[in-house]
Amino acid sequence: DGGITQSPKYLFRKEGQNVTLSCEQNLNHDAMYWYRQDPGQGLRLIYYSQIVNDFQKGDIAEGYSVSREKKESFPLTVTSAQKNPTAFSLCASKAGAKDTQYFGPGTRLTVL
Amino acid sequence: DAKTTQPTSMDCAEGRAANLPCNHSTISGNEYVYWYRQIHSQGPQYIIHGLKNNETNEMASLIITEDRKSSTLILPHATLRDTAVYYCIVRAYYGGSQGNLIFGKGTKLSVKP
Repeated sequence: DGGITQSPKYLFRKEGQNVTLSCEQNLNHDAMYWYRQDPGQGLRLIYYSQIVNDFQKGDIAEGYSVSREKKESFPLTVTSAQKNPTAFSLCASKAGAKDTQYFGPGTRLTVL
Repeated sequence: DAKTTQPTSMDCAEGRAANLPCNHSTISGNEYVYWYRQIHSQGPQYIIHGLKNNETNEMASLIITEDRKSSTLILPHATLRDTAVYYCIVRAYYGGSQGNLIFGKGTKLSVKP
């Protein structure tokens, strides 16, 4: 069953704690993206990667870090510098520059 | 990417066609119209996209005006499960240097029994 998976679905973080969100795809897509959606808002780009071992900051990268060691995996680490109390984080991927982007189910992160 | 304008909300009776409009008057020649929807607390789901010809797939139809300044997404027989926020996005085929999608606030479609 092909697609994009994210885990966990819900995650709670204490202030000062770093947490990592998982994103895996078995679609053989080159490009992967992380977005954040705040309540009542559109999606904003956190980080993106167009190829393995390469990634770029998006519009709201502060307080986040990523890695892209494997084509199918693009984990996102939320550091203590990220002050947003609650966020819905979405991972997406696409095959190439001119292809359609597909999204995972999302992870809802809450700061306790 | 061109800016889009959509109504904030719409209602539709179950079983009837839902017609969701989108204005994109500043669209340029190499920009496509994409539609996604997001059911509450889920990731956005791709629906359909087109350049200038009308498109149809198993989910919906996309009607683009001849001048390409507006489009309409049609769900032919809306069900309660079609209740969602629908996003109209205009982007160049190559999506710019980042390739990301720019989502606005979309149209909240409520399908009622």
